Amino acid sequence: EVQLVESGGGLVQPGGSLRLSCAASGFTFSSYSMNWVRQAPGKGLEWVSYISGSSSTKYYADSVKGRFTISRDNAKNSLYLQMNSLRAEDTAVYYCARDRRGSYFLDFQYWGQGTLVTVSS
Amino acid sequence: EIVLTQSPATLSLSPGERATLSCRASQSVSSNLAWYQQKPGQAPRLLIYDASNRVTGIPARFSGSGSGTDFTLTISTLEPEDFAVYYCQQRGNFGGGTKVEIK
Repeated sequence: EVQLVESGGGLVQPGGSLRLSCAASGFTFSSYSMNWVRQAPGKGLEWVSYISGSSSTKYYADSVKGRFTISRDNAKNSLYLQMNSLRAEDTAVYYCARDRRGSYFLDFQYWGQGTLVTVSS
Repeated sequence: EIVLTQSPATLSLSPGERATLSCRASQSVSSNLAWYQQKPGQAPRLLIYDASNRVTGIPARFSGSGSGTDFTLTISTLEPEDFAVYYCQQRGNFGGGTKVEIK
């Protein structure tokens, strides 16, 4: 059974940093690209970042480019999101999501339960 | 950048009725479009991929159609558990969502 479990969310001050983690199990982690998707309170879904299975390709939403860094450790079956220079508008539930079909940037079949990041003073 | 526009924003229907949700892309996305269902407090669930392919385990009352710029998600007969928010998605782009609520 595919499982994705996020951790690392919490309350952080504007300008601060936070590192999210996503522990994956139930599939060959290195064979699939992964994504971070967020959802601000009461709002819709916003894709944040993509990383290919080998980490050779990374994409970011314009809203986080230069501030967030996606990475993965295939030996540890883990995905990460380093978030720096956080702003109030980054407040959201952050989901990790696995691509449905290998290392393609198409659609997201498996999702974690999400971790809440709150940016506030 | 591709913009996905969903309509209507809210659809008020009764159980047993047919729901038709629209997603329009600002430029052609071929058939690379997916649909998700999200219920309060839950992660999104992938329903349809490649515009018209149902994910294993998704009931047959859910169907997708379209290509290019115009796409439709149809729920043939609404069940109580279908009242939720639905999103279309193409790569790094999500639509704004359609809330299907009980009339």
